[in-house]
Amino acid sequence: DQQVKQNSPSLSVQEGRISILNCDYTNSMFDYFLWYKKYPAEGPTFLISISSIKDKNEDGRFTVFLNKSAKHLSLHIVPSQPGDSAVYFCAARSSRGSNYKLTFGKGTLLTVNP
Amino acid sequence: NAGVTQTPKFRILKIGQSMTLQCTQDMNHNYMYWYRQDPGMGLKLIYYSVGAGITDKGEVPNGYNVSRSTTEDFPLRLELAAPSQTSVYFCASSREYSNQPQHFGDGTRLSIL
Repeated sequence: DQQVKQNSPSLSVQEGRISILNCDYTNSMFDYFLWYKKYPAEGPTFLISISSIKDKNEDGRFTVFLNKSAKHLSLHIVPSQPGDSAVYFCAARSSRGSNYKLTFGKGTLLTVNP
Repeated sequence: NAGVTQTPKFRILKIGQSMTLQCTQDMNHNYMYWYRQDPGMGLKLIYYSVGAGITDKGEVPNGYNVSRSTTEDFPLRLELAAPSQTSVYFCASSREYSNQPQHFGDGTRLSIL
């Protein structure tokens, strides 16, 4: 049972355009969401997060939107740059308990073409 | 600033052999985690620890053991390697506050032949 779903295995965009990566979740207990970026042969790197009390969080070129009623979040990258080409993982966790375990999606490979 | 360091980066094992994947962090994080990532899949939690001397099972603990004798180190042990354990293993750490992200090492790529 996949609790965090990234239904697009890959996405290709032109440099300078917007990249939109999507993520859906099924567990209503999730209240904190994160996006990680991963280059080949490296570990995931934290990119941006959002708490369920918000519906938007911005950090430079990266914005995450959360729609709790639809159990959907998206990551917008504007403008996209070739260096953004990587696998992007959506992750979620529940604040219940104290271990802060993350549940990951399968990832979306973003390719930004020059 | 080293962050989370994993050794070795690559290893090939024969079926039935054992080995320990090392993980150390220099950020004084209490929380540490071990994940595995199979091709085309997300990361799955194997074991985690909320402090020295405290460990607990994650989603896929079978075939693995962990220990946490210090804040810095969180080794993962494979006792009897099986082909199904061929994967990339990631160690992560975080502070004990709910809004803190996990920081990952660069992984250990393990092949069981």
